[in-house]
Amino acid sequence: EADIYQTPRYLVIGTGKKITLECSQTMGHDKMYWYQQDPGMELHLIHYSYGVNSTEKGDLSSESTVSRIRTEHFPLTLESARPSHTSQYLCASIGQGASKNIQYFGAGTRLSVL
Amino acid sequence: QKEVEQNSGPLSVPEGAIASLNCTYSDRGSQSFFWYRQYSGKSPELIMFIYSNGDKEDGRFTAQLNKASQYVSLLIRDSQPSDSATYLCAVNRFDGGFQKLVFGTGTRLLVSP
Repeated sequence: EADIYQTPRYLVIGTGKKITLECSQTMGHDKMYWYQQDPGMELHLIHYSYGVNSTEKGDLSSESTVSRIRTEHFPLTLESARPSHTSQYLCASIGQGASKNIQYFGAGTRLSVL
Repeated sequence: QKEVEQNSGPLSVPEGAIASLNCTYSDRGSQSFFWYRQYSGKSPELIMFIYSNGDKEDGRFTAQLNKASQYVSLLIRDSQPSDSATYLCAVNRFDGGFQKLVFGTGTRLLVSP
């Protein structure tokens, strides 16, 4: 299994604040992903990355942005949080070698914007 | 039509019974298939994966592929209340050379004691 760490696990913040959700993995995986999931609803891919300096928007349009300056680090930023951004954000990466097709998830960040 | 479709459920089974979960996929060229379990408020956890070359059994779980009909099933034998969760089916897709998983909406399983 991959070790994928997301911080914070829970975040309650006011409207208009800038926030960064952290995601790190220790396995040297090139491919990383961000998903958004509302309670009881399906996963939506919002960003992905091939590797360092490579980022792409996913299937669901999102006002968030991402960066990939280091292989192990894939943070997601909201410049001005709004109540509509309240959701769970899940980070994932895909393994290499024998695990090259297997996607592992971090524990997630549950964001509430008041 | 969605790429990966699942019945949202809930599928209710008594403890000890076999739970059968299905998903259909639209891309006939799909090669890899995954089942994730997600407890409420938690992140998805990989349960099983199979490739297009065959079925797979792991403990109480069996994943089966029917390529002709384009569906994947997950059988859970001797179901336990702790198996109650949402089960997500996912299919590997290469989009412009980039690897993505396409997820279904999930089937909620309820195992009653």
